[in-house]
Amino acid sequence: GQQLNQSPQSMFIQEGEDVSMNCTSSSIFNTWLWYKQDPGEGPVLLIALYKAGELTSNGRLTAQFGITRKDSFLNISASIPSDVGIYFCAGQEEAGNNRKLIWGLGTSLAVNP
Amino acid sequence: GAVVSQHPSWVICKSGTSVKIECRSLDFQATTMFWYRQFPKQSLMLMATSNEGSKATYEQGVEKDKFLINHASLTLSTLTVTSAHPEDSSFYICSASPPYQPQHFGDGTRLSIL
Repeated sequence: GQQLNQSPQSMFIQEGEDVSMNCTSSSIFNTWLWYKQDPGEGPVLLIALYKAGELTSNGRLTAQFGITRKDSFLNISASIPSDVGIYFCAGQEEAGNNRKLIWGLGTSLAVNP
Repeated sequence: GAVVSQHPSWVICKSGTSVKIECRSLDFQATTMFWYRQFPKQSLMLMATSNEGSKATYEQGVEKDKFLINHASLTLSTLTVTSAHPEDSSFYICSASPPYQPQHFGDGTRLSIL
């Protein structure tokens, strides 16, 4: 099935550094979502974006819905060890909930204390 | 709020047996739930969309007779892996969307078939 282009695939950073990851799509999305998954657990929603150009923050996390509606980025500022995990972007082509999501392949983040 | 509970979290069984996994929305009603499968170091792969009171919608390549889905109430969907074999071993995750919210996920079920 269709998947999003998510980069980078993995990152290894020092505690305190900022992190940036992004996703691109060949089609226009109505909604962009960012999730974090810890080993052996389900993904947890971090940020939801609904409008082109929208910039939303959740604590040290900031995400933006690209103006073309085909891309989104997630920034993490001042990383800490508990930021370790896999970050997934997901897009939704149709408006409303209960719609299928299209997923990126994930960005694996490792933080060196 | 918006809690999705999945049970069991881990199951080991012999080849040929059937395994049932439950997905519950604890504090909201869900007319639709989603079932995913995830292999190690890979992304989530949608298997099927579970619809309350009607048949599930399966993604291309997913055997509906192998992965039986029942969504008999607004808070419970079940996935039964029938006649499971080692190649069915995987991490299975369900999700549901509270009203006006994106999908929230259960904690997943690790299935190991010996």
